[in-house]
Formats: sequence, structure tokens, C-alpha cells
Amino acid sequence: AQSVTQPDIHITVSEGASLELRCNYSYGATPYLFWYVQSPGQGLQLLLKYFSGDTLVQGIKGFEAEFKRSQSSFNLRKPSVHWSDAAEYFCAVGAGGSYIPTFGRGTSLIVHP
Amino acid sequence: ETGVTQTPRHLVMGMTNKKSLKCEQHLGHNAMYWYKQSAKKPLELMFVYNFKEQTENNSVPSRFSPECPNSSHLFLHLHTLQPEDSALYLCASSHQAGPNEQFFGPGTRLTVL
Repeated sequence: AQSVTQPDIHITVSEGASLELRCNYSYGATPYLFWYVQSPGQGLQLLLKYFSGDTLVQGIKGFEAEFKRSQSSFNLRKPSVHWSDAAEYFCAVGAGGSYIPTFGRGTSLIVHP
Repeated sequence: ETGVTQTPRHLVMGMTNKKSLKCEQHLGHNAMYWYKQSAKKPLELMFVYNFKEQTENNSVPSRFSPECPNSSHLFLHLHTLQPEDSALYLCASSHQAGPNEQFFGPGTRLTVL
């Protein structure tokens, strides 16, 4: 079965600084990969996804992620963080028979002014 | 109203009560999902319905009973719950079950006394 690990429970950055959130997955073949964001009191919203092709994926709100097969990683990046980016970020991997995504524990992003 | 809606947004119930959570999607999707989100735990997939047929039941206790009368509506019937069932219950929908973008509702915050 597939699994996904987000090693960082909390990340604190200053507004304007760059951001990288880590995601590692475990699956024998190429999985389907997703990043979602959850703002307080709201459901999850898709930021970006990778199914195949170019390993650098652009998403909404200025986010991008890079699929690295050799490292089994799909890290999320943003060059300059805004205060409104403070939220919970979830990496998810779809694999196996149903391909329904399995979610990581999430990383809470705190943005200092 | 657009997107995925959930009612009620907050629910407090005793262990002997019976209540239902409702989810409605206006996106024309064919798959609907129930997730449980507890603090400091990964998002837990509970049930999946694809074209009104239940395709996944992740060993959920029988005190949770889903119902999907049509592709637009999903219910979660609750009875004789335990305090550890207190959590945020999220509904999601997608075009079909599988590695597709999921659209989430805002959730129902459930507290079991």
C-alpha cells in the first residue's frame, strides 16, 4: 500500500521569504501526487497535482512542486510567502488499485510579518 | 449555491443521540467521500460512493452509517457515538472515484459528550 510522509509538523517563515514544504511517498510505481491547502474553518483546496510529464508542476497562488523519482519526493515551493498563505498544507498520493489519494498528516505554515 | 456544502457546520450530541450530517454538491460529480479529520492525525478516508454505489468502507464502526440517495447528496447517520468520535467530518466530491481532484466542503465540527 502507498504511504505519504510530511516530516515537518510546523514551519515558520517570515513574510516575503521563500518556502519549501517536504513530502515523501512510498510506492513502487509512479503515483499520482497532490498538494492541498486548508485555511482555518474551511475544507481542503487543491493547489496542484502531478500525474505524468513535466516533473515541475505549477499551481495556483504562485505555488509549484517538483516530482523527484529518485528521492520519492514531491516538495512544494513558493518564492515569496504572503501572510495569507498561513494555513495547513497536505500532500496526498494516489496509487494502488483504487488510486484514491492517501493524505499526509499535514504541515502547518506560520507566517511572521 | 455552488461547490460542496455541508450542514450543520457544528454539532454537539450525547452518546445516546441519533443525528445526521448532510453533504450536497452542485458540481455534477459522480463520486462522493466522507473523511474524518482529527487533531494531529492524518485525514482518514471513511466511505466512498461512485455513481451512488459504495465502493470503499475503511473498517468504519457501524455506529457510522452512510447513505447516498443520488450523486448530489451524501449523508452520514450517527448513533451511539463515543467521545473519541469528536472530529471534523469532511465531505468531498470528484468527477469519478480515483486519482481525480477532490472538492471539499467546509466540514462539520462534531463534539460527542
